[in-house]
Amino acid sequence: EIVMTQSPATLSLSPGERATLSCRASHNIRNDLAWYQQKSGQPPRLLISAASTRATGVPNRFSGSGSGTDFTLTINGLQSEDFGIYFCQQYSDWPPRTFGQGTRVEVK
Amino acid sequence: QVKLHQWGAGLLKPSETLSLTCAVYNAPVSGYYWAWIRQSPEKGLEWLGEVDHRGITNVNPSVKGRLTISIDTFKKEVSLKLTSLIVTDTAVYYCARDPAPRGGGGFDFWGQGARITVSS
Repeated sequence: EIVMTQSPATLSLSPGERATLSCRASHNIRNDLAWYQQKSGQPPRLLISAASTRATGVPNRFSGSGSGTDFTLTINGLQSEDFGIYFCQQYSDWPPRTFGQGTRVEVK
Repeated sequence: QVKLHQWGAGLLKPSETLSLTCAVYNAPVSGYYWAWIRQSPEKGLEWLGEVDHRGITNVNPSVKGRLTISIDTFKKEVSLKLTSLIVTDTAVYYCARDPAPRGGGGFDFWGQGARITVSS
């Protein structure tokens, strides 16, 4: 099973700042990585697939990068609606498909 | 707009069986995997398994032997049965669409979630 590790656990930032979230895979997953945003009481929302391809309707302030084992989600110019929890997920080697434990982006 | 609507019992006892159903609207069921994923504070997001339109399934080894996923292509409904429930099966359960067979990745549409509590 591929283990996904996210850091940091919590990111405290002010609106307008840049958020940089990391995700590391225990094995090479090429670029088979997705990022999700989740807000309280809602299901996760797909933001990015194939490590860097934004899903339909996702603002271009969200960008993803990386391949192999190390990946980054960057949010440029945090908006109030961007605060929440972000998860990465690999779909390279399954079953099982696996998720990271999440990074909480909170208002500083 | 694709919509997934799910339903099923919320409070169950240990050893009982959980049954959930997920209906798919405004999308074909063929060409996708239909997954069940659960979320708890203890385990985070956990992929349980998936089924395609032919009824072929993949299951997480963590629940293998207890989990059955099936599909009714006529009704466009996906079902989950999890037997021999234990307290740690308590979680919010989601159904989700996986476009992997079409070359995509990531779960692009999700049901609203069902909060399941296992308690004696």
